[in-house]
Amino acid sequence: EPEVTQTPSHQVTQMGQEVILRCVPISNHLYFYWYRQILGQKVEFLVSFYNNEISEKSEIFDDQFSVERPDGSNFTLKIRSTKLEDSAMYFCASGRLARTGELFFGEGSRLTVL
Amino acid sequence: KNEVEQSPQNLTAQEGEFITINCSYSVGISALHWLQQHPGGGIVSLFMLSSGKKKHGRLIATINIQEKHSSLHITASHPRDSAVYICAADFRNRDDKIIFGKGTRLHILP
Repeated sequence: EPEVTQTPSHQVTQMGQEVILRCVPISNHLYFYWYRQILGQKVEFLVSFYNNEISEKSEIFDDQFSVERPDGSNFTLKIRSTKLEDSAMYFCASGRLARTGELFFGEGSRLTVL
Repeated sequence: KNEVEQSPQNLTAQEGEFITINCSYSVGISALHWLQQHPGGGIVSLFMLSSGKKKHGRLIATINIQEKHSSLHITASHPRDSAVYICAADFRNRDDKIIFGKGTRLHILP
């Protein structure tokens, strides 16, 4: 069964460092999303991406964040200069064709900023 | 403001019990998702529904659009059902967002 894969599963970084989280969505999906979950809190929307551009982003997704689909298969989330409060589980999700439809989630990447 | 409320926050039950988790949302949505979050943190999509009822194995999800309410039921619960169950309201046909509930932590005792 096709699945969304995320790497790394866990990354520890120093404050101020750049981090790239990678996602490989399901191959025929066209809509891509990043969400995050700070420990003990609910999952929050970060950004949606379609047709090689951001279609919606939340107030959390500030200038420190960027997303890219560099090669038609990977979908990356970059945090330019990490802060302590960026420590969270980051989930990638993808959906087929329309803006409605089932979402498929990756297993998540746990980011720890020291 | 888009809001999603889940209840209960925590639920402990004996193996075999029938489980109900409730979700209500504040405004109209295009669909509602039920998700399961493993103890390790990974998320699995259980159901996406916009009307009526869906069943998959021992899991049943229902939604009442008029009442803006959905329920997730687990029949013949088992310790392996222990997880966090998250309801998420899908507004992607409007502003591309999904609003997540805080989750219900379910613990099934053997």
